[in-house]
Amino acid sequence: EAQVTQNPRYLITVTGKKLTVTCSQNMNHEYMSWYRQDPGLGLRQIYYSMNVEVTDKGDVPEGYKVSRKEKRNFPLILESPSPNQTSLYFCASSFGGTYSNQPQHFGDGTRLSIL
Amino acid sequence: AQSVTQLDSHVSVSEGTPVLLRCNYSSSYSPSLFWYVQHPNKGLQLLLKYTSAATLVKGINGFEAEFKKSETSFHLTKPSAHMSDAAEYFCVVSDRPPGWSSASKIIFGSGTRLSIRP
Repeated sequence: EAQVTQNPRYLITVTGKKLTVTCSQNMNHEYMSWYRQDPGLGLRQIYYSMNVEVTDKGDVPEGYKVSRKEKRNFPLILESPSPNQTSLYFCASSFGGTYSNQPQHFGDGTRLSIL
Repeated sequence: AQSVTQLDSHVSVSEGTPVLLRCNYSSSYSPSLFWYVQHPNKGLQLLLKYTSAATLVKGINGFEAEFKKSETSFHLTKPSAHMSDAAEYFCVVSDRPPGWSSASKIIFGSGTRLSIRP
């Protein structure tokens, strides 16, 4: 089954404790992306990757890191989480590298609470 | 610059009546436009997309949308609402800046929550 898998689905942690949210897709997609969803703001892009070893900042990259060592995986790293990073996070992937008018496939989301 | 405006944060309709969710966009280039639906505790699922072919686009579950360039609109409609349509809906624009190495810029609207009254 084609899918984007995020883990964990829920996480409560404390300020400053490094965490990683994993994302994996099994569709051989070139493009992968991370978003955060906050009430009234829709989804905002954090980072995206057009292919292996190619990543770039989205609209709200501060406080986050990503890596793309393999095509299928795109982890999101919070080196020193803060309460303003409490949010619902989505990973997405699609065909197309530099230009994509292809729809994205989304994971089920990761709800992070930073205390 | 790109932007997406969903004109209603919440729409409530009775079951069996038409649905209209409004979306206006601005784009510097030739955009692709999408509607996604998000059910509670789920990720987003594609309803339909416009990519410069037919201006009237049909999607899943009886939804359709019409691209109107002169009005910069891409409103989502359904003739008859069903209880299972209750969800959050997002209008999305994807635009590619010039340059072969530039990725598409993807902007989400703030969402419209659709409620269905029995």
